[in-house]
Amino acid sequence: GQQVMQIPQYQHVQEGEDFTTYCNSSTTLSNIQWYKQRPGGHPVFLIQLVKSGEVKKQKRLTFQFGEAKKNSSLHITATQTTDVGTYFCAGLDNYGQNFVFGPGTRLSVLP
Amino acid sequence: DAGVIQSPRHEVTEMGQEVTLRCKPISGHDYLFWYRQTMMRGLELLIYFNNNVPIDDSGMPEDRFSAKMPNASFSTLKIQPSEPRDSAVYFCASTRWWGSGNTIYFGEGSWLTVV
Repeated sequence: GQQVMQIPQYQHVQEGEDFTTYCNSSTTLSNIQWYKQRPGGHPVFLIQLVKSGEVKKQKRLTFQFGEAKKNSSLHITATQTTDVGTYFCAGLDNYGQNFVFGPGTRLSVLP
Repeated sequence: DAGVIQSPRHEVTEMGQEVTLRCKPISGHDYLFWYRQTMMRGLELLIYFNNNVPIDDSGMPEDRFSAKMPNASFSTLKIQPSEPRDSAVYFCASTRWWGSGNTIYFGEGSWLTVV
């Protein structure tokens, strides 16, 4: 079945440093979504990517969808303590049947 | 608009007891999902409904778990009997349609502890 992996599992950065998490799917995706979950909170939708090679930006966050639509990345420039949380990618397969969450990357930002 | 509403927010129960978690999806959303989150297994899809009909329950762990959606504005997830390994955060989520362009909205979760 469809599998979605994320690396790294954990990342500790100093405030002001950049951060990147990578998402890889075992199958080609129709779209990919990114969610953020603060400690003790619930996943909150950040963005969706649909097109091959698509790049979207939200302030300090840059999202990219791979050319083969099997991988994606989230890059945060100059992290802040408010960026702390777990970042999940979630992909919809090409048949529109399976929507699978990755295991998440937990980000800690040291002030 | 009110978001996805779950209750209870926190529950502590003894092993063997029945647990019922409740969810009210966002009005107009045709799809409802139940997820379980643990440190070990991450976010797992248990079951989802389309127009109140269960579509995929392959993620339901075992017969102790059951879910119902009697109408468009209410769903329950029941565990009977509960076991300590059921301790987790259970999220209900909903979305308007299925496919590209949908956004899944999560409730705040029900934190279950079985002792």
